[in-house]
Amino acid sequence: DAGVIQSPRHEVTEMGQEVTLRCKPISGHNSLFWYRQTMMRGLELLIYFNNNVPIDDSGMPEDRFSAKMPNASFSTLKIQPSEPRDSAVYFCASSSFGTGGHQPQHFGDGTRLSIL
Amino acid sequence: DAKTTQPPSMDCAEGRAANLPCNHSTISGNEYVYWYRQIHSQGPQYIIHGLKNNETNEMASLIITEDRKSSTLILPHATLRDTAVYYCIVRSSWNRDDKIIFGKGTRLHILP
Repeated sequence: DAGVIQSPRHEVTEMGQEVTLRCKPISGHNSLFWYRQTMMRGLELLIYFNNNVPIDDSGMPEDRFSAKMPNASFSTLKIQPSEPRDSAVYFCASSSFGTGGHQPQHFGDGTRLSIL
Repeated sequence: DAKTTQPPSMDCAEGRAANLPCNHSTISGNEYVYWYRQIHSQGPQYIIHGLKNNETNEMASLIITEDRKSSTLILPHATLRDTAVYYCIVRSSWNRDDKIIFGKGTRLHILP
């Protein structure tokens, strides 16, 4: 079975450029999560969707960050304009929330983002 | 959500059982204990979860104390591939929300 698929795996770009990270959740999962991981702050939840609707975006750092989920099989996290402090590993995860009891989240392999 | 306390690091000899403790003294009655691990350069991986009974699966066992204020994750025969950061997480009831908050975890070193 295919897991959560993220692209690109690595992204290096100059500050000020727009960055778009992509995620394909596991088929049939109805919750999707975006996390950011840095050495200083650890693993932080940025935003999560349920049935394609954003439920909690309180972790989104500022207006430069935006996330969309146009359908059940695709989500994007966009940074515009990017800054060096956005350098981190960004993870996407999905789960089948509400289908009865607790369901674990399944994570992708992440996108390693470097802003120069 | 209740907070958890874990030791920052632990060592375990290869082939031995690794016992990772977690304190969650403010856990409420409907909150589950979850364990995830993160191997270097990979996304976190779900291991096991439980409410109040002990649980076992192909990866590990979870022992939860009777008062539910602490738990222990047991890897019965640790291998070098078990070297990772292990996160103990307490999750709110599933019918309220689905998010989980990661702490700093325990960095487990398996020694050859």
